[in-house]
Amino acid sequence: QLQLQESGPGLVKPSETLSLTCTVSGGSISSTTYYWGWIRQPPGKGLEWIGSIYYSVNTYYNPSLKSRLTMSVDTSKNQFSLRLTSVIAADTAVYYCASVRRGHFDYWGQGALVTVSS
Amino acid sequence: QSALTQPASVSGSPGQSITISCTGTSSDVGAYKYVSWYQQHPGKAPKLMIYDVTNRPSGVSNRFSGSKSGNTASLTISGLQAEDEADYYCSSYTSTNTLVFGGGTKLTVL
Repeated sequence: QLQLQESGPGLVKPSETLSLTCTVSGGSISSTTYYWGWIRQPPGKGLEWIGSIYYSVNTYYNPSLKSRLTMSVDTSKNQFSLRLTSVIAADTAVYYCASVRRGHFDYWGQGALVTVSS
Repeated sequence: QSALTQPASVSGSPGQSITISCTGTSSDVGAYKYVSWYQQHPGKAPKLMIYDVTNRPSGVSNRFSGSKSGNTASLTISGLQAEDEADYYCSSYTSTNTLVFGGGTKLTVL
């Protein structure tokens, strides 16, 4: 079964860029079975879908984040990544990566807390 | 896009059944069979409990079941157990090729 693990800085300054990577094991990121997605959860709040990517070909972004968001896939490392520019305090959250099939998230990473603060 | 609407909290006694609703629109819940439900214990990642409205992943107890009528999906948990106490979130695919979550429901087992 798939295993996913987020990695990246835990602290980002306001106005800078948040970058996270998700490493996939137990399967190929090039698989046509899965999309790959990011979800975030601000402290004490609910889940928010950030975006999904398919085989480096198609990307789907939350409209509220689209202008600041880029997702990509690195097939050589079996990883996919998230870049969110011009971050503010409201971007502080636990960021999860997950595999996506037919609109549902079946395997999740453990989550990575990213704090936006100077 | 607007979040799907869930009750903030529900409660039940051990052995009872509870139902959590998830209301969307004709552009998301009402339009597709791609509604899913997640269980999240404090400090843990969400866990998929129901997908495609009614399907349970392997390993999920058959005490969990899903349904949909019109723009509202529902998660029913029968034979409540203490371990079911958690936050529950619904999610749906939308007509704009995006995904949306509900605001979450806190389940308390009395």
